[in-house]
Amino acid sequence: DQQVKQNSPSLSVQEGRISILNCDYTNSMFDYFLWYKKYPAEGPTFLISISSIKDKNEDGRFTVFLNKSAKHLSLHIVPSQPGDSAVYFCAAMNSGNTPLVFGKGTRLSVIA
Amino acid sequence: DAGVTQSPTHLIKTRGQQVTLRCSPKSGHDTVSWYQQALGQGPQFIFQYYEEEERQRGNFPDRFSGHQFPNYSSELNVNALLLGDSALYLCASSSRTEFKAFFGQGTRLTVV
Repeated sequence: DQQVKQNSPSLSVQEGRISILNCDYTNSMFDYFLWYKKYPAEGPTFLISISSIKDKNEDGRFTVFLNKSAKHLSLHIVPSQPGDSAVYFCAAMNSGNTPLVFGKGTRLSVIA
Repeated sequence: DAGVTQSPTHLIKTRGQQVTLRCSPKSGHDTVSWYQQALGQGPQFIFQYYEEEERQRGNFPDRFSGHQFPNYSSELNVNALLLGDSALYLCASSSRTEFKAFFGQGTRLTVV
């Protein structure tokens, strides 16, 4: 029973265009959501997060949108750069300090 | 400021053996969580340590055990290794006041 789902295993985008990575969750107790980026042979690196009291959070080229009624969040990267090529994981938790629950990840390839 | 450090980075063990993995958390963090990442999957929560006690545990057998020391560093022990234990083991540190978890580079365990 997967509580966090990333239904696109891979995504290919041209440099300079927008990348949109999607994530769905089933557990309505989740109230904090995070995106991590992972390069090969490295651990996941925190990218951006959003609390359930917001519907949008922006940090430079990265914006996360949260639609609580649909239990859906998305990560937008604008403009995409070749260095953004990595595996992106969506993770969710309850702010009572429960552990992170991860999706399976989406491999983003940004083509120059 | 050193981030989360894990040792060793790679390890090859024989089926039935025992292994110990180590983690030093980020400065200022008092909570350590361990995750297992199998190929093509997202990280799966093993357990979390805070104040030298196991606070939460995921769906892993008793062969997986851990410890946290007074300086907040932690060990993950796996007994009676199975081929299926081959994975990337990730340590994450956090604090009670910060939901973001910071990950180490991981230990790649191969069981042959």
